[in-house]
Amino acid sequence: GIQVEQSPPDLILQEGANSTLRCNFSDSVNNLQWFHQNPWGQLINLFYIPSGTKQNGRLSATTVATERYSLLYISSSQTTDSGVYFCAVGPLAGGTSYGKLTFGQGTILTVHP
Amino acid sequence: DGGITQSPKYLFRKEGQNVTLSCEQNLNHDAMYWYRQDPGQGLRLIYYSQIVNDFQKGDIAEGYSVSREKKESFPLTVTSAQKNPTAFYLCASSPRVHYGYTFGSGTRLTVV
Repeated sequence: GIQVEQSPPDLILQEGANSTLRCNFSDSVNNLQWFHQNPWGQLINLFYIPSGTKQNGRLSATTVATERYSLLYISSSQTTDSGVYFCAVGPLAGGTSYGKLTFGQGTILTVHP
Repeated sequence: DGGITQSPKYLFRKEGQNVTLSCEQNLNHDAMYWYRQDPGQGLRLIYYSQIVNDFQKGDIAEGYSVSREKKESFPLTVTSAQKNPTAFYLCASSPRVHYGYTFGSGTRLTVV
């Protein structure tokens, strides 16, 4: 099946710093999503971004599907950004596989005040 | 407000017992999913359903069963055949076209 690799595995920042999280995947995809998991376990969908660039406030994401990677940018980080960031991808093949996501291992982000 | 409700938040199971985790959504989403998360790990797919009365096995379906009798509901049963059921279980749903997932708040299952 498709492999998803996220880097770095851990990231520690001071409040106000910027960061870039990377997601590499092993095959063509038609679905790529970024999620934030808070310390209580709730997963929030940040972006649905199988290709192109999107921005939402201090967060933005870029997916280069032809080169099989995606980047999540966090600017002016805040302590509330702490948690685990997951990249998840879905295969290009349709049929019974649509909507099915494979998750990476995540990047643990800690933002200190 | 629309969303996904998982219950209970915490569940304790005795050895050899079957337990059922509830997942209900009012988002009118066609597809629903169950994922398992172990400490420090990513999510792994257990089962998914694209339409009522149909579901597919995911990567780790052994020891689990599901049903999809209503569009809004996708309960997961953890059977006694699941050797290591202690984990955090997350239910999600997505529209047929957009594919964006919405997650519930999860159920933490512990075997005692």
